[in-house]
Amino acid sequence: GAGVSQSPSNKVTEKGKDVELRCDPISGHTALYWYRQSLGQGLEFLIYFQGNSAPDKSGLPSDRFSAERTGGSVSTLTIQRTQQEDSAVYLCASSLDRWSYEQYFGPGTRLTVT
Amino acid sequence: GENVEQHPSTLSVQEGDSAVIKCTYSDSASNYFPWYKQELGKRPQLIIDIRSNVGEKKDQRIAVTLNKTAKHFSLHITETQPEDSAVYFCAEYGNKLVFGAGTILRVKS
Repeated sequence: GAGVSQSPSNKVTEKGKDVELRCDPISGHTALYWYRQSLGQGLEFLIYFQGNSAPDKSGLPSDRFSAERTGGSVSTLTIQRTQQEDSAVYLCASSLDRWSYEQYFGPGTRLTVT
Repeated sequence: GENVEQHPSTLSVQEGDSAVIKCTYSDSASNYFPWYKQELGKRPQLIIDIRSNVGEKKDQRIAVTLNKTAKHFSLHITETQPEDSAVYFCAEYGNKLVFGAGTILRVKS
């Protein structure tokens, strides 16, 4: 594909349910990032993958959040037992490799927890 | 830890005027400073960036300046147009991208 894609684009879930968000990076990009953007706020770093490993998980807000990446491509961000404060837009970005600064963002998944 | 302060939080200018957004950072190891433009309901788009070995970079109506000694960098938009209206985020990269809180730019025609 031409760019980073994410699915679903919108997700409404009930408090306490688990959700999975998916990111497809640009083909050939080995570095992948997850960010969270709350309403009217800036971008908050969550986790970084280089290949399938996550050398930096420092931004995950709690142990309810986890992410994995398999095959060095698609990544999923899982939020367990969702809370209302998890409502936000979750953005994924990819870059060519660990030495490339330029990050290209996906369209985001808008998560609403009711 | 890493921190980026961005000012102003909102900026209104008349079409044709210039707009300047400033950011300061704390991590002296930072060596890459991108600027992103985010239109309503859209993803952030990289519009210009600067590396630490350069003091200024220009791309048409957009320019970025970097002062490493003072740890601040600025985005300059000249001859603003209504389509420049968006939220602009600065960021700095030490070992990861850290974003400023954003500036809402409104260009009035």
